[in-house]
Amino acid sequence: KQEVTQIPAALSVPEGENLVLNCSFTDSAIYNLQWFRQDPGKGLTSLLLIQSSQREQTSGRLNASLDKSSGRSTLYIAASQPGDSATYLCAVRSIGANSKLTFGKGITLSVRP
Amino acid sequence: DVKVTQSSRYLVKRTGEKVFLECVQDMDHENMFWYRQDPGLGLRLIYFSYDVKMKEKGDIPEGYSVSREKKERFSLILESASTNQTSMYLCASTSQWQPQHFGDGTRLSIL
Repeated sequence: KQEVTQIPAALSVPEGENLVLNCSFTDSAIYNLQWFRQDPGKGLTSLLLIQSSQREQTSGRLNASLDKSSGRSTLYIAASQPGDSATYLCAVRSIGANSKLTFGKGITLSVRP
Repeated sequence: DVKVTQSSRYLVKRTGEKVFLECVQDMDHENMFWYRQDPGLGLRLIYFSYDVKMKEKGDIPEGYSVSREKKERFSLILESASTNQTSMYLCASTSQWQPQHFGDGTRLSIL
């Protein structure tokens, strides 16, 4: 059974830092991996989707990488801002799981002004 | 842009009531999902639908049912609400190989 882990559960950094959020998964048989952002009391917003054949995806200050063989993904945020404060979740779509995703519990990021 | 709309942001109901949560998507997605999200437990899949009138149980289907009579609409039904169903409920939709898109969520309180 696929398991997705995100450590640490919370992170606090000063504004302007470049930071890396980690995600690991136990079964490398995946179709894709998705990173989401969730603001308090809101739904999830899709940030980046990486297909299993890809190594990375970029959107603005965000860059997500995927190493399927080692079961790892990272979300890199450049020049962090207070507006980046949110919970970041990763999720994998495993082969054979239809369109269902397995989610990590998320990393709550606080960027201090 | 994909839009997933959940009918209520906040809802308060009483124990034993039948509760309907509605979700509508505007992108002709074949797959739709209902999750609940609780502190410390993360997102858990309740039910999933891959086509009209088709449904599949998720990880925690007990106490819930679903209905998908039209492709754009997926309803979650609490047959007899209980206090342990107080939670944040999230609906999502997707098409093959596409990202999952979520609604804003419904915070449901059962008194």
